[in-house]
Amino acid sequence: QKEVEQDPGPLSVPEGAIVSLNCTYSNSAFQYFMWYRQYSRKGPELLMYTYSSGNKEDGRFTAQVDKSSKYISLFIRDSQPSDSATYLCASRDTGFQKLVFGTGTRLLVSP
Amino acid sequence: EAQVTQNPRYLITVTGKKLTVTCSQNMNHEYMSWYRQDPGLGLRQIYYSMNVEVTDKGDVPEGYKVSRKEKRNFPLILESPSPNQTSLYFCASSSGTSGIDTQYFGPGTRLTVL
Repeated sequence: QKEVEQDPGPLSVPEGAIVSLNCTYSNSAFQYFMWYRQYSRKGPELLMYTYSSGNKEDGRFTAQVDKSSKYISLFIRDSQPSDSATYLCASRDTGFQKLVFGTGTRLLVSP
Repeated sequence: EAQVTQNPRYLITVTGKKLTVTCSQNMNHEYMSWYRQDPGLGLRQIYYSMNVEVTDKGDVPEGYKVSRKEKRNFPLILESPSPNQTSLYFCASSSGTSGIDTQYFGPGTRLTVL
């Protein structure tokens, strides 16, 4: 079993839709949870992070972690064609720099 | 501009011909890491370095070598490349402190081994 599981998609939505991207993880020691966005032919860039459980909002993006169910979510409101990218969830333990990534979900937002 | 640079960006080579992919960061970061990205497998860590002269294996180190003689540079060496090392490679760096610590990724090197 992979430590972080993610549906590869692709997920296709119309512009303006609410997008929900999800991951599950198996390692109870994970405390930091990140979402990276990767455009085609580019390196991943950090989009959002959360520590432990809870929600974090940044503009149209909301990251949510439920440690009881080991579930990580990213919500995108009013999705735009420029949001079309691969979204990677990642987690790590406290004190360790190693990130464990999901396989990434490809999102396509059509105008 | 804070950045991680990699060279070359694209490389086609033949089996057994030694190659080096360079990685450099200008953020004075202590932690550097190499990943490979393959369809369906995501990003997997090859090697990482916590500081100068300190390196350790990641999840898929076989067939790779690294060195960290200077803080800013972390080259990836393939002594005898094989076709199964055809992949997209990313170098990343972070300050290495505990807590939320953003890893910055380079633009990637697409390697094809024939």
